[in-house]
Amino acid sequence: KQEVTQIPAALSVPEGENLVLNCSFTDSAIYNLQWFRQDPGKGLTSLLLIQSSQREQTSGRLNASLDKSSGRSTLYIAASQPGDSATYLCAFPDNYGQNFVFGPGTRLSVLP
Amino acid sequence: EAQVTQNPRYLITVTGKKLTVTCSQNMNHEYMSWYRQDPGLGLRQIYYSMNVEVTDKGDVPEGYKVSRKEKRNFPLILESPSPNQTSLYFCASSYVTGGNEQYFGPGTRLTVT
Repeated sequence: KQEVTQIPAALSVPEGENLVLNCSFTDSAIYNLQWFRQDPGKGLTSLLLIQSSQREQTSGRLNASLDKSSGRSTLYIAASQPGDSATYLCAFPDNYGQNFVFGPGTRLSVLP
Repeated sequence: EAQVTQNPRYLITVTGKKLTVTCSQNMNHEYMSWYRQDPGLGLRQIYYSMNVEVTDKGDVPEGYKVSRKEKRNFPLILESPSPNQTSLYFCASSYVTGGNEQYFGPGTRLTVT
């Protein structure tokens, strides 16, 4: 069974900094990996989906990379803003694409 | 607008009183899933459905039932709720299997006293 970790668990940075969030998993046989954002008490918003054949995806100030061989994905946020404050979760399908496994999340605070 | 809807959004109930949380999607997705989110435990999958009349257990199915009679609907049923089922519940759907991008509902906050 997959084990997923996200480092750091929490992060506080001043506005304008570039930052990297990490997601690690134990079994490299994944179909894809998805990054989500969750605001407190709210639902999940999909940010980026990286297919297993891709190495990275970009959307605006966000860039996500996937290295299956090392069991890692990173989410890069450029020029962070207070509105980026949220919990960021990585997730991917396990069990031949049927189950969906989530990391524990990184809680990000961007200070004005 | 493409979306996943859940009802109710908030529910307070008592132990043992059967309840149903509805989930509906308008994207013609085949795959649907239920999760619960608890502090310190993160998001865990309860049940999922690959298509109509096809459902299977996730990581934490005990105390829950689901049905998939129509493609768009995937209700979560708690036959006899207990306080340890107090949680934030999310429904999600994707085009085919869980391997595609998942879309989440807004969540249902359930409190069982």
